Amino acid sequence: NAGVTQTPKFRILKIGQSMTLQCTQDMNHNYMYWYRQDPGMGLKLIYYSVGAGITDKGEVPNGYNVSRSTTEDFPLRLELAAPSQTSVYFCASSYGTGDYGYTFGSGTRLTVV
Amino acid sequence: QKEVEQNSGPLSVPEGAIASLNCTYSDRGSQSFFWYRQYSGKSPELIMSIYSNGDKEDGRFTAQLNKASQYVSLLIRDSQPSDSATYLCAVFAGGTSYGKLTFGQGTILTVHP
Repeated sequence: NAGVTQTPKFRILKIGQSMTLQCTQDMNHNYMYWYRQDPGMGLKLIYYSVGAGITDKGEVPNGYNVSRSTTEDFPLRLELAAPSQTSVYFCASSYGTGDYGYTFGSGTRLTVV
Repeated sequence: QKEVEQNSGPLSVPEGAIASLNCTYSDRGSQSFFWYRQYSGKSPELIMSIYSNGDKEDGRFTAQLNKASQYVSLLIRDSQPSDSATYLCAVFAGGTSYGKLTFGQGTILTVHP
């Protein structure tokens, strides 16, 4: 069982470039989440999804976009990268009832220069 | 804005001592509470969950919840250098939160030999 798989692990982008962070889970979880983690700031929710075809904004959605065409995949799209998007990005999944917490992916460390 | 607050530390304890990590939350209706451990450069790992007032013990870890005071804590007994990590408190508000967790900023724990 792979759990939650994120790719790539590291990436350097130039200002204005775009990229997609991939996230796949094999636990048949309906609920998936994208967080960013900045030093000393904890985890901030970017977007979340409660099932295929259903997504919604979190606390810090500006500059990002998501899609959810299948239960397994929840990619995060960065358009027109800015230095403020330099961060570590974590994808997570859960049963969604709030009783079991999350399973996290290994993270993507993104630097925008 | 639902908030979760932690003392960012760093908290330094000698090996074998009890480490006490604290967390307060603003939403009185919160239902589920989690402690995650995060080693440097790694993703958060769930170590404890607690849902009812009182104590919950799992090996060297004890989670304590006081809903009246909106306070949750994690005690680590017989602390080991391998416990050195950032500890994240996370809260599930319940209701229509779609399983979303709100995280504190994390407490850095250092256990010195």
